Amino acid sequence: RKEVEQDPGPFNVPEGATVAFNCTYSNSASQSFFWYRQDCRKEPKLLMSVYSSGNEDGRFTAQLNRASQYISLLIRDSKLSDSATYLCVVNMLMEYGNKLVFGAGTILRVKS
Amino acid sequence: IAGITQAPTSQILAAGRRMTLRCTQDMRHNAMYWYRQDLGLGLRLIHYSNTAGTTGKGEVPDGYSVSRANTDDFPLTLASAVPSQTSVYFCASRAGGDDEQFFGPGTRLTVL
Repeated sequence: RKEVEQDPGPFNVPEGATVAFNCTYSNSASQSFFWYRQDCRKEPKLLMSVYSSGNEDGRFTAQLNRASQYISLLIRDSKLSDSATYLCVVNMLMEYGNKLVFGAGTILRVKS
Repeated sequence: IAGITQAPTSQILAAGRRMTLRCTQDMRHNAMYWYRQDLGLGLRLIHYSNTAGTTGKGEVPDGYSVSRANTDDFPLTLASAVPSQTSVYFCASRAGGDDEQFFGPGTRLTVL
């Protein structure tokens, strides 16, 4: 089983739609969680951190469920510019320090 | 320099040749990382360095070596390139355990 698993998609949605991505992780000792965004042929960039209480940043909402070991990202009122790959990232505490484990990514395509 | 730079941007290399990918950051981050990204597999950690003078092996270290002589630079060397090392290579850094990880723009390497 992969340490971090995501539905690869692609999710094809119309502008204005609401879309949700889920991600599961295997290590219950995981410390912190993030969503990164990666545009085609570019480097990943932090979209938002995920806190235990859930957090919202404009149209984006992230949720963490430690008991079920999953993280979600909700995007409301999708824009064309939201088209990208969304990477679920889990920070795991290892014997040598912290290790970020990346999911393979979920592709989102927003169409007009 | 602002953030992380990588060089070269892209390279085509004959199998068996030696190649060093360069990575420099100006944020005085302690930790630096090298990843490769292949379709469907996501980002995989090759080597990491928690602080200048120390390095460690990641998930896929075979065929690669790194050094960390100072805080800013973290070169990745392929001693004798093979076609399976064709990939996009990202260097990354972060200040501490729970901090955001910043990525360089990537190096596209093709080994023929």
